[in-house]
Amino acid sequence: GAGVSQSPSNKVTEKGKDVELRCDPISGHTALYWYRQSLGQGLEFLIYFQGNSAPDKSGLPSDRFSAERTGGSVSTLTIQRTQQEDSAVYLCASRRDRKATGELFFGEGSRLTVL
Amino acid sequence: GNSVTQMEGPVTLSEEAFLTINCTYTATGYPSLFWYVQYPGEGLQLLLKATKADDKGSNKGFEATYRKETTSFHLEKGSVQVSDSAVYFCALSEENRDDKIIFGKGTRLHILP
Repeated sequence: GAGVSQSPSNKVTEKGKDVELRCDPISGHTALYWYRQSLGQGLEFLIYFQGNSAPDKSGLPSDRFSAERTGGSVSTLTIQRTQQEDSAVYLCASRRDRKATGELFFGEGSRLTVL
Repeated sequence: GNSVTQMEGPVTLSEEAFLTINCTYTATGYPSLFWYVQYPGEGLQLLLKATKADDKGSNKGFEATYRKETTSFHLEKGSVQVSDSAVYFCALSEENRDDKIIFGKGTRLHILP
């Protein structure tokens, strides 16, 4: 597609349930990022995929969070046993390659509300 | 660790006013610096960038100069428009590790007609 696509755009779930958020990056982009945007907290880095390299998971807040990127394209962020503090907008971004320093293209995000 | 600090908002200005949004950073080495903008209902997009000291990034009338001596990258525009109303994020990528982009908390800008 023309841009980074994320789904669902909105998700309301009950505490303790698992959720999956999907990101479809720009075709041909080798790098994919997940960030979390909470009110008043800016963008919090979660995880980064670059090509076939091992992902940088240093930003994942707990072992309830995990992410996969299949075939070097689509990525899924999974949150298990959701908690109220997980409520946020989850943003995905892609980058063409390592030479495109800092040139991230963001999706519109998936807003997660945990009741 | 590396971090970005930007002025808290919201910032409210009248149309045609001069804009400055302050951004300072803490980093080892020589990071690249960026400003991103998030317009209402849209995803973040790169506004401008500077990759080395004294570089000036510019786009859409906005400018920011990479000042290593003051570790700053302030965003400026000489005459703002209502359409500039958005949230602005300062960010950096670490030298030799340009994968992880660290963002500030964002500054909301309101321009009044």
